[in-house]
Amino acid sequence: QVQLQESGPGLVKASQTLSLTCTVSGDSISTGARYWAWIRQHPGKGLEWIGYIFHSESTYYNPSLRSRVTISVDTSKNQFSLKLSSVTAADTAVYYCARRGPGGHWEYYFDYWGQGRLVTVSS
Amino acid sequence: QPALTQPASVSGSPGQSITISCTGSSSDIGGYNYVSWYQQYPGNAPRLMIYDVNYRPSGVSDRFSGSKSGSTASLTISGLQAEDEADYFCSSYTSAGGWVFGGGTTLTVL
Repeated sequence: QVQLQESGPGLVKASQTLSLTCTVSGDSISTGARYWAWIRQHPGKGLEWIGYIFHSESTYYNPSLRSRVTISVDTSKNQFSLKLSSVTAADTAVYYCARRGPGGHWEYYFDYWGQGRLVTVSS
Repeated sequence: QPALTQPASVSGSPGQSITISCTGSSSDIGGYNYVSWYQQYPGNAPRLMIYDVNYRPSGVSDRFSGSKSGSTASLTISGLQAEDEADYFCSSYTSAGGWVFGGGTTLTVL
């Protein structure tokens, strides 16, 4: 069974960098067909796709966040990470890591999600 | 403002059928058959219920079905049960190469 678990600080000061890690079990993060994504959910529901990484180094980000986002992989720990710089209160959200469908490029949905990590940006 | 428009809430009685709509544009729903639906209980992660407009993952009840017409997708739940009470989100792949989501619909089983 594939499982994902987010970890990282739940409180970040405005203008600083948000850093989260997703630990994957039951699947290999370095499998060629796998795409690993970050998605966030703002208070009051809305979901927003942040970006993904595949082939352990190729990334694609939401254009609205591209200038502030970095997603990377640590294959030795079977983890991938999110860094979001220059955060503001608008970045307060629950952050989820997720796996794109098992066929990777040929799948257009997310089949496994972590439980989510609430990150609050304080002033 | 969410890119996809969903009703904020719907309700139905046990045994009835309900439909949740999700309206987008030609850049997302209207341009691709890559609509997915997720169920979310409070405090839990989203669960995939429908993908590629009308396919169910293994383990999802056949009471859940999806469809699409133009730039509007729909999720129908038949034989409503108390356990179906949750939030439902639609999502679509987009021409920009990423995904957009709806604002979510709260389903209340009366």
